[in-house]
Amino acid sequence: DQQVKQNSPSLSVQEGRISILNCDYTNSMFDYFLWYKKYPAEGPTFLISISSIKDKNEDGRFTVFLNKSAKHLSLHIVPSQPGDSAVYFCAASDTGTASKLTFGTGTRLQVTL
Amino acid sequence: DTEVTQTPKHLVMGMTNKKSLKCEQHMGHRAMYWYKQKAKKPPELMFVYSYEKLSINESVPSRFSPECPNSSLLNLHLHALQPEDSALYLCASSQDFPENVPYGYTFGSGTRLTVV
Repeated sequence: DQQVKQNSPSLSVQEGRISILNCDYTNSMFDYFLWYKKYPAEGPTFLISISSIKDKNEDGRFTVFLNKSAKHLSLHIVPSQPGDSAVYFCAASDTGTASKLTFGTGTRLQVTL
Repeated sequence: DTEVTQTPKHLVMGMTNKKSLKCEQHMGHRAMYWYKQKAKKPPELMFVYSYEKLSINESVPSRFSPECPNSSLLNLHLHALQPEDSALYLCASSQDFPENVPYGYTFGSGTRLTVV
């Protein structure tokens, strides 16, 4: 039972344009959401998070949007850079179960020149 | 020091071998985690340690045995593994719950394990 889903396994975007990565979840108990970036042969790196009491959080080129009613979140990267090419994982946490992250299946982003 | 260090980076072991994976952090984090990641799949939680005590075991088979000797170290002892246990094993650490929640975890780069 995949509680966090990223339905696009891959995405290709031109340098300078916007990248939009999507994530859906089914567990209404999730109350914190995070995005991680993973390069080959490295562990995931934390990017940005959002609490369920907010609908937007911004950090530089990265913005996460949360639509609780739709159980949907998205990560916007503007402008996209070649160094952003990586696998992006959405993750969710239910603070009632003490520090447990559930990850989505990941989206491979390729930023082309 | 803002890193989680995992050794070895690669490990090949036979099904009758006993081996250990090691993880170390010096960020003062009091929660440490083992995750398993198979190809094209998300990381899956195996164990959580909080203040050096095992707090979550996600029904992991007993051929995987975690150990937390002190607040900086986390080991995963492996014995009688199966070829399907071949995967990337990721260690992570964080501030303890709930302070960690907005910041997620700091992951190591993993140990690529192959069971032959």
